[in-house]
Amino acid sequence: NAGVTQTPKFQVLKTGQSMTLQCAQDMNHEYMSWYRQDPGMGLRLIHYSVGAGITDQGEVPNGYNVSRSTTEDFPLRLLSAAPSQTSVYFCASSSNSANYGYTFGSGTRLTVV
Amino acid sequence: ELKVEQNPLFLSMQEGKNYTIYCNYSTTSDRLYWYRQDPGKSLESLFVLLSNGAVKQEGRLMASLDTKARLSTLHITAAVHDLSATYFCAVDYRDSNYQLIWGAGTKLIIKP
Repeated sequence: NAGVTQTPKFQVLKTGQSMTLQCAQDMNHEYMSWYRQDPGMGLRLIHYSVGAGITDQGEVPNGYNVSRSTTEDFPLRLLSAAPSQTSVYFCASSSNSANYGYTFGSGTRLTVV
Repeated sequence: ELKVEQNPLFLSMQEGKNYTIYCNYSTTSDRLYWYRQDPGKSLESLFVLLSNGAVKQEGRLMASLDTKARLSTLHITAAVHDLSATYFCAVDYRDSNYQLIWGAGTKLIIKP
């Protein structure tokens, strides 16, 4: 049981480049979310999904796109990278039954230069 | 506005001592989580609290939830160096379409 798998673990981008952060879970969870974590701060929600085909914006969605074509996958796209997007990104998933918390991936450390 | 406030934000303590981290939140929820994060690592689930009065214990850590006071506590008993980490509380508002709202985290340093 792999849980939540994020790739890549590290990435350096130049300003203006685009890329996709991958997130996959094998627990058949309905809820999936993307967060960013900046130094000294808690996590901030970027986008989330409550099921395949359904996505919505979180607290800091600008500059990011998501899609949820399958239950398992929830990729995060950076459209035109900016230095302000330098951060650690975490993907998380949870069951709709809410008897469990959220399971987190290992994170992607992104640097935009 | 949904807010989650943790305090203290930084705690340095000696091994063997007891201490409590507090998590206050602004809007009613019956679900609250505690996570641990080591430097450069992901978030590890510690406790899932799902109802008023819930109390859970794991080793030297004990968490409780008072939904009426909108307060959760994480109590550390006889601290050991291995518990040094940053601890986060997160309140689950998925029914209100806000997902998780996070506290800023408590950086805990336990000196041998």
